Amino acid sequence: AQSVAQPEDQVNVAEGNPLTVKCTYSVSGNPYLFWYVQYPNRGLQFLLKYITGDNLVKGSYGFEAEFNKSQTSFHLKKPSALVSDSALYFCAVSAVRGSSNTGKLIFGQGTTLQVKP
Amino acid sequence: KAGVTQTPRYLIKTRGQQVTLSCSPISGHRSVSWYQQTPGQGLQFLFEYFSETQRNKGNFPGRFSGRQFSNSRSEMNVSTLELGDSALYLCASSPGQVNTEAFFGQGTRLTVV
Repeated sequence: AQSVAQPEDQVNVAEGNPLTVKCTYSVSGNPYLFWYVQYPNRGLQFLLKYITGDNLVKGSYGFEAEFNKSQTSFHLKKPSALVSDSALYFCAVSAVRGSSNTGKLIFGQGTTLQVKP
Repeated sequence: KAGVTQTPRYLIKTRGQQVTLSCSPISGHRSVSWYQQTPGQGLQFLFEYFSETQRNKGNFPGRFSGRQFSNSRSEMNVSTLELGDSALYLCASSPGQVNTEAFFGQGTRLTVV
């Protein structure tokens, strides 16, 4: 079965320190990879995506993510965390049917990021 | 450009009733997907519509159905509501190509009592 794992329910980091939110996936082929953020009582906001090319992708609000095909990982990073980054973060991959990517997204369980002043 | 609009934002229904949720995608977007978000199961895919055709379907019972109109607006219907259907229902729109990101609405919070 195709799946996404976010091994940490919560990540705590001090403001100004670097942060990493981990994501690994189990999908055959070459899925597309995404990160979304959710603030309380809101929908999901797109942060960044990996389709092909450079393994380090940059996104909104200073976030970046590193794609590692051999480890099937797509970890979200930010060099210097802000208190306002505190939110729920979701990793997602496009489901693959046959050898083709689809518009269906498979989400991880989410990781709560807590940035303390 | 207006974002994805979902109506209503909140809904309370009784077991056994049916409910219809509405989603207006971003102008020009032809794909609309629906997701159910619950604390226990997380985000689960319901279905995707593209140009009025269901392109993908998740593993939900037949009580869950949807449709898309010619203007790309979409509705999803849940019949014979169960307590377990209480969730945040999120709609997402995209231009249609699978390598493009989806833009989510704020969701409809459905409570079944």
